[in-house]
Amino acid sequence: AQRVTQPEKLLSVFKGAPVELKCNYSYSGSPELFWYVQYSRQRLQLLLRHISRESIKGFTADLNKGETSFHLKKPFAQEEDSAMYYCALNSGNTPLVFGKGTRLSVIA
Amino acid sequence: DAGITQSPRYKITETGRQVTLMCHQTWSHSYMFWYRQDLGHGLRLIYYSAAADITDKGEVSDGYVVSRSKTENFPLTLESATRSQTSVYFCASKDTAQETQYFGPGTRLLVL
Repeated sequence: AQRVTQPEKLLSVFKGAPVELKCNYSYSGSPELFWYVQYSRQRLQLLLRHISRESIKGFTADLNKGETSFHLKKPFAQEEDSAMYYCALNSGNTPLVFGKGTRLSVIA
Repeated sequence: DAGITQSPRYKITETGRQVTLMCHQTWSHSYMFWYRQDLGHGLRLIYYSAAADITDKGEVSDGYVVSRSKTENFPLTLESATRSQTSVYFCASKDTAQETQYFGPGTRLLVL
């Protein structure tokens, strides 16, 4: 069964500190992984997907098939990064499987 | 993102009443989805649809009904609302040509 695990419900960091939001997945096939972000009281929006290998708003994520992980990283956190972050897995013609989310709080 | 809308944005109802949440997308995406978002549970899939007149249950479908008579609309009905259905409901859509799901702004539902 496909599963996405985000072990931290809440992550607090100081402004300027590095950030790493963890995501592990369970899937026997070739996964496609995403990070979505939800700012306060707004809709979810795509932050990045592993296929595009982009850096969005300073965030990057590398797919590690050996560790079945897709951790989201940013070298220097900003206050505007405070939001809810969801990792998601696509396993074919089925809905995305979402993790339970991690709330990032960046403290000034 | 403006291509997918939800109405109403806020709704207060009473236990036992029927409530319908609307979702409309202008992209002609094949797939549409309904999720509920609750603290501690993240996003949970209620129903999804691969095309008009094709719907499938998700993880938490009990107490909900959907229809998809037109590609662009995917209404969600709570047949007899319960307090446990108090939540934020998100609609989403995606095209078969890409895997990115686009989300609507959400509907905050309070069942008293």
